[in-house]
Amino acid sequence: ETGVTQTPRHLVMGMTNKKSLKCEQHLGHNAMYWYKQSAKKPLELMFVYNFKEQTENNSVPSRFSPECPNSSHLFLHLHTLQPEDSALYLCASSQATGGNNSPLHFGNGTRLTVT
Amino acid sequence: EDQVTQSPEALRLQEGESSSLNCSYTVSGLRGLFWYRQDPGKGPEFLFTLYSAGEEKEKERLKATLTKKESFLHITAPKPEDSATYLCAVPWSGNQFYFGTGTSLTVIP
Repeated sequence: ETGVTQTPRHLVMGMTNKKSLKCEQHLGHNAMYWYKQSAKKPLELMFVYNFKEQTENNSVPSRFSPECPNSSHLFLHLHTLQPEDSALYLCASSQATGGNNSPLHFGNGTRLTVT
Repeated sequence: EDQVTQSPEALRLQEGESSSLNCSYTVSGLRGLFWYRQDPGKGPEFLFTLYSAGEEKEKERLKATLTKKESFLHITAPKPEDSATYLCAVPWSGNQFYFGTGTSLTVIP
């Protein structure tokens, strides 16, 4: 398998549920990201991991909890979400560089609906 | 304050009708401008990176150009399969990128 794989593709959950999103990259990259994509809005960066260390957390509510056990796997743990959290959640990876940025490679996302 | 602005928001073209999409940015010290294509139900797919004013990149019917304030994605003789949302992004700090809201392109046969 190549590229960035996300599971599940679709998820419907109630506000009291706990679920996890999974991402795996097969590109040998050392940076991984979670983005949120909502209609009519720019992609919103949630978390960044470089070499398994979290380097960015853009004021994301604590009901979203990331986990990066190694440079190929990334999880997003969800609990007590709100309906406004319904969105497409995208995982991405890239080579972490100090100079010019390298492009992001995205998975196909998890479409999350919170009821 | 918007860092990346894309226009138009939506564009409908007849097959073969060439046009351009715009991405303007206000980030100083540009460390690259990235173009992506996103099909419905899929994640964005990387197309091009441009690093300096005057640079051009081409891929099939697409050509991206860069000035000091904006980038254009020119689509020559588009086909229905070029229909997608096109996103641009610029890095601003560490691994963070500013993304535009995209241009939704529809090419009518």
